[in-house]
Amino acid sequence: KNQVEQSPQSLIILEGKNCTLQCNYTVSPFSNLRWYKQDTGRGPVSLTIMTFSENTKSNGRYTATLDADTKQSSLHITASQLSDSASYICVVSAAGGYNKLIFGAGTRLAVHP
Amino acid sequence: DSGVTQTPKHLITATGQRVTLRCSPRSGDLSVYWYQQSLDQGLQFLIQYYNGEERAKGNILERFSAQQFPDLHSELNLSSLELGDSALYFCASSVGDRGYEKLFFGSGTQLSVL
Repeated sequence: KNQVEQSPQSLIILEGKNCTLQCNYTVSPFSNLRWYKQDTGRGPVSLTIMTFSENTKSNGRYTATLDADTKQSSLHITASQLSDSASYICVVSAAGGYNKLIFGAGTRLAVHP
Repeated sequence: DSGVTQTPKHLITATGQRVTLRCSPRSGDLSVYWYQQSLDQGLQFLIQYYNGEERAKGNILERFSAQQFPDLHSELNLSSLELGDSALYFCASSVGDRGYEKLFFGSGTQLSVL
């Protein structure tokens, strides 16, 4: 069964600190892996998209890594800001031509001053 | 602003009723996707349309139906509503229908069934 699991479920950090969110997946055949940021009550916003051949991709203070062998990904947030408080969702796309994405349940991050 | 417009933002209705959610994709996007997000749950894929045709179906109930019109806007119809249908319903769009394209999400419609 295609699954995407994220950890931790929630996380609290102080402003200015770094953090790393984890994603494990069992989706096969694999097409790509995405990280989204979702503010409360809003739609998800794309942060990164990585294919099988990419193992690192950055978007400002966000850096995603992908290990396709172990089927793991991480999202590292550097020098966190209050505006980083949101849910971060790992999404894996199964190959097959159509855009069927498997969403993780997300990690809820709270950045405190 | 993602460029994807969803209306209404909030909808409160009673069990057994029928509602229609509307989505206008980004200019130039041919694919529209519908997702359901229940409280503290991940997004569940419902259905995808590409240029007016149904492309993929997920866990969409038979009480739910959707269509994409010639002007590419889409509507999701939910009928015989139950309490468990209360959720955030998101629409997303992309240029084509391949698995590697970026999706742009609307702000969602919050449906409350009382």
